[in-house]
Amino acid sequence: GAGVSQSPSNKVTEKGKDVELRCDPISGHTALYWYRQSLGQGLEFLIYFQGNSAPDKSGLPSDRFSAERTGGSVSTLTIQRTQQEDSAVYLCASSSQRAWGRSYGYTFGSGTRLTVV
Amino acid sequence: QKEVEQNSGPLSVPEGAIASLNCTYSDRGSQSFFWYRQYSGKSPELIMSIYSNGDKEDGRFTAQLNKASQYVSLLIRDSQPSDSATYLCAVNEGYSTLTFGKGTMLLVSP
Repeated sequence: GAGVSQSPSNKVTEKGKDVELRCDPISGHTALYWYRQSLGQGLEFLIYFQGNSAPDKSGLPSDRFSAERTGGSVSTLTIQRTQQEDSAVYLCASSSQRAWGRSYGYTFGSGTRLTVV
Repeated sequence: QKEVEQNSGPLSVPEGAIASLNCTYSDRGSQSFFWYRQYSGKSPELIMSIYSNGDKEDGRFTAQLNKASQYVSLLIRDSQPSDSATYLCAVNEGYSTLTFGKGTMLLVSP
């Protein structure tokens, strides 16, 4: 597609429920990233997928968080047994293949606002 | 721990003035540098990238990079109220992921 698409745009869930957030990156972008942004806070890295390589999961805050990327395209971030501290905006981004050691900037989706009540 | 530091602001400038936003980073190996603009309630939008020491101009925006001093700045000339937003600095090294600063809020008053 023309941009990074995320769904749902808003999600309200009860504490303890599982949620799935979806990201459809820009066509042809090999790299896909998940970040989250809490109110008044910076962007917190969660997980990174690059092509067929093993994902970089170093930013996942707990084992309740997992993500997969199917067919090198669409990604799903799953949060199990949600807690109130999981409330944040979850942002997905994608980028082109790096060249000459330089990164290309990320293009972000519009985000999913998750509220755990 | 890679760190990117920005003054949280707000930086207040009158319409038509030059806004200067600064960022310092801790990783000397950083090679790629970006500025993002984030309007309230919206996602970050890439506005500038810079890879080499010196200045890079794009319209009213100029990015400046000094690797020896480990700082990168963004100048916005002829600031407009529509430039009021939070500006995020981001850096990375090679194949690592971007590290973002917490952003500087810019307020441009008419």
